[in-house]
Amino acid sequence: QKEVEQNSGPLSVPEGAIASLNCTYSDRGSQSFFWYRQYSGKSPELIMFIYSNGDKEDGRFTAQLNKASQYVSLLIRDSQPSDSATYLCAVNGGSGANNLFFGTGTRLTVIP
Amino acid sequence: DVKVTQSSRYLVKRTGEKVFLECVQDMDHENMFWYRQDPGLGLRLIYFSYDVKMKEKGDIPEGYSVSREKKERFSLILESASTNQTSMYLCASSFPTGGGYGYTFGSGTRLTVV
Repeated sequence: QKEVEQNSGPLSVPEGAIASLNCTYSDRGSQSFFWYRQYSGKSPELIMFIYSNGDKEDGRFTAQLNKASQYVSLLIRDSQPSDSATYLCAVNGGSGANNLFFGTGTRLTVIP
Repeated sequence: DVKVTQSSRYLVKRTGEKVFLECVQDMDHENMFWYRQDPGLGLRLIYFSYDVKMKEKGDIPEGYSVSREKKERFSLILESASTNQTSMYLCASSFPTGGGYGYTFGSGTRLTVV
């Protein structure tokens, strides 16, 4: 069973701070990595994806990937109360597999 | 705006009823998935399909079946609903590119079995 591990939290940060969310995965063959945001009672929405080692920035969000350490992270700069949600890490199966494997999510609370 | 549409947002059914959850996508995606999501357990894959009339069991298929007669529609069937099937059900779809583009989720159906 391919595993994706996340700290369930809750993670609390003050408004304006940087929130750091972490994820590790077990399958060294994984090639695609995704971060989904899920508000309470809503469905997950894709906010970031990364395929290559290093950083990828999109507005206040930065995804970081280290394949050697099998580690992917999401940084949220200038955190806002509207960022309060559960963040799901997802990783594709290796060898061209079609499925994604999801972590159980980290709940983030941004305190005004 | 591309969409994955689930037919019901909230549903209440009685134990033993046969329940149909419908999912339709307009993105011409080959792959479609059904998950259930429960607190503390995350997303659990029930069934998936890579093509019309094709289906594969996921991690927790017991008590469920699926139907995919058309590319855009993937139905989840609870043959005889039980209280332990009370959950949030999420449909998703994707292109068949090794999961490279991620999934698009529907808005979810919160099913309560009484």
